[in-house]
Amino acid sequence: DTAVSQTPKYLVTQMGNDKSIKCEQNLGHDTMYWYKQDSKKFLKIMFSYNNKELIINETVPNRFSPKSPDKAHLNLHINSLELGDSAVYFCASSLLQDYNEQFFGPGTRLTVL
Amino acid sequence: RKEVEQDPGPFNVPEGATVAFNCTYSNSASQSFFWYRQDCRKEPKLLMSVYSSGNEDGRFTAQLNRASQYISLLIRDSKLSDSATYLCVVAETGTYKYIFGTGTRLKVLA
Repeated sequence: DTAVSQTPKYLVTQMGNDKSIKCEQNLGHDTMYWYKQDSKKFLKIMFSYNNKELIINETVPNRFSPKSPDKAHLNLHINSLELGDSAVYFCASSLLQDYNEQFFGPGTRLTVL
Repeated sequence: RKEVEQDPGPFNVPEGATVAFNCTYSNSASQSFFWYRQDCRKEPKLLMSVYSSGNEDGRFTAQLNRASQYISLLIRDSKLSDSATYLCVVAETGTYKYIFGTGTRLKVLA
């Protein structure tokens, strides 16, 4: 069974479109994250939810909106896609307390044309 | 100064060599430290946590120096399968943020 899954794995779209990436974890964790890894391989936190509550919201354009319907799911919706949004987006989950290991999903490779 | 800094490499070493990576962090209040490994076009995976007294897991040894604010990873008897990018990760106290370094790329050559 996949611990952290993301869909889709690849996403190619035109500038200006709106797209969503879904993430699910079956580990029973209470905290989930979205990271962006750019072409220089730098992995940067975007958002984090703990039990459906937003706890980290980095300086991210408001075109990006996370949604957590329950603690096992964290989706990322992106409006008006731009060329600079092209990157790999990783979802991760962990237990919040004691700064535990983060488990990452396989990533979604987004290409904006 | 970046929050977490690593030499990007690549470090090209022959099989069987010993190689060491360092990582420096800027926030002295940082609480937890990790090394993650990321293979090409894959997700990061935890290699090992780093404890204050230093810790070892097989061929891998991690050290933490809080006074100088650096973390190290030593790999002994390198294998071809060790070729990957090694990410230093620092968890900030009170913010629940994990700050990733840019990674150090290792290539182990036959």
